[in-house]
Amino acid sequence: KAGVTQTPRYLIKTRGQQVTLSCSPISGHRSVSWYQQTPGQGLQFLFEYFSETQRNKGNFPGRFSGRQFSNSRSEMNVSTLELGDSALYLCASSIGRDRGYEQYFGPGTRLTVT
Amino acid sequence: GDSVTQMEGPVTLSEEAFLTINCTYTATGYPSLFWYVQYPGEGLQLLLKATKADDKGSNKGFEATYRKETTSFHLEKGSVQVSDSAVYFCALRRGGSYIPTFGRGTSLIVHP
Repeated sequence: KAGVTQTPRYLIKTRGQQVTLSCSPISGHRSVSWYQQTPGQGLQFLFEYFSETQRNKGNFPGRFSGRQFSNSRSEMNVSTLELGDSALYLCASSIGRDRGYEQYFGPGTRLTVT
Repeated sequence: GDSVTQMEGPVTLSEEAFLTINCTYTATGYPSLFWYVQYPGEGLQLLLKATKADDKGSNKGFEATYRKETTSFHLEKGSVQVSDSAVYFCALRRGGSYIPTFGRGTSLIVHP
């Protein structure tokens, strides 16, 4: 089975711009979660989508949003980028309760905001 | 709220040494517990998991036992290799309506 894929792998944006990141989960996985990873804050949960519905949300401002499509692929969008948004953004997919909510992560998108 | 506490790193060991990385958690009920590993430049990989008390998860020589009485899930390996150098994350999840909770990660450096 193919793993979780994320595109693009690297991105450089300017403050004030917006960005869209994409995630394709493992086939058959209906849950997709997004995380922000930085050296200072560690791994922080952004949101989770399950069957096209946002199921859980972390403590991030409304500039961070996401969606999931009927084929389980997911996108996250960050509007009005700030320097502090520079981070590795990780996507993870999961089957759910049947596998104890174990997650499979993609390689991440490295976003640099200048 | 839920929380996971890991020992701070880096943990520096010589090859073939015994490894323990401590992990304790705070959560009500019986969450599923996980260890993930992140190699440089990569995403996290599931290393092992345990879904109920006294379960032992194991993979690639690593083991961890779900201890409800001490709310712990310590990671152990009998003989580490240089290739085990990575950052290790302990995590928990109570269920689909709850967000996953990760520890801050523990960096492991293994010298030849």
